[in-house]
Amino acid sequence: EAQVTQNPRYLITVTGKKLTVTCSQNMNHEYMSWYRQDPGLGLRQIYYSMNVEVTDKGDVPEGYKVSRKEKRNFPLILESPSPNQTSLYFCASSPWTSGSRGFFEQFFGPGTRLTVL
Amino acid sequence: AQSVTQLDSHVSVSEGTPVLLRCNYSSSYSPSLFWYVQHPNKGLQLLLKYTSAATLVKGINGFEAEFKKSETSFHLTKPSAHMSDAAEYFCVVSAAAGNKLTFGGGTRVLVKP
Repeated sequence: EAQVTQNPRYLITVTGKKLTVTCSQNMNHEYMSWYRQDPGLGLRQIYYSMNVEVTDKGDVPEGYKVSRKEKRNFPLILESPSPNQTSLYFCASSPWTSGSRGFFEQFFGPGTRLTVL
Repeated sequence: AQSVTQLDSHVSVSEGTPVLLRCNYSSSYSPSLFWYVQHPNKGLQLLLKYTSAATLVKGINGFEAEFKKSETSFHLTKPSAHMSDAAEYFCVVSAAAGNKLTFGGGTRVLVKP
């Protein structure tokens, strides 16, 4: 089944304790992205990647890191989490490439609910 | 630059009555526009998309949306609400250049029996 998976689905942690949220897709997509969802703000893009070893900042990158060493995986790293990073996080992938024209649907993972105390 | 405004944060309807979710957008490019739905504790699912073809777009589960360039609107409608339509709905714009999605703040729909 074509899908985007995220782990863990739920995480409660404390301020300053490094954590990683994994994202994996099995659709051979080049484009992957991380979003955070906060009430009343919709989803905001944190980072995106257009291919292996190519990543770039989205709208709210502060406090986050990403890496793209393999095409299928795009982990989100919080080196020193803070309470304002408590949120619902979504990973997405898309068959869009930089040479594409037109719209390519983004496929979303199930979400990771993070609480930072 | 692009932005999306969903005019209602909450909409309450009775089962069997019409649903209208309002969305206005701004974009420097010819936009692609979408509606996504998020059911409780679930991920996001694409309902429908407008990509410069027909201005009236039909989606899944009986939803449709009309692109009105003169009004910069992309309102979502359904003639008859069902209990299973209770969810949060997001209006989304994508620039012609690149794959960046910009989300509205969301509209939470409550369906009363």
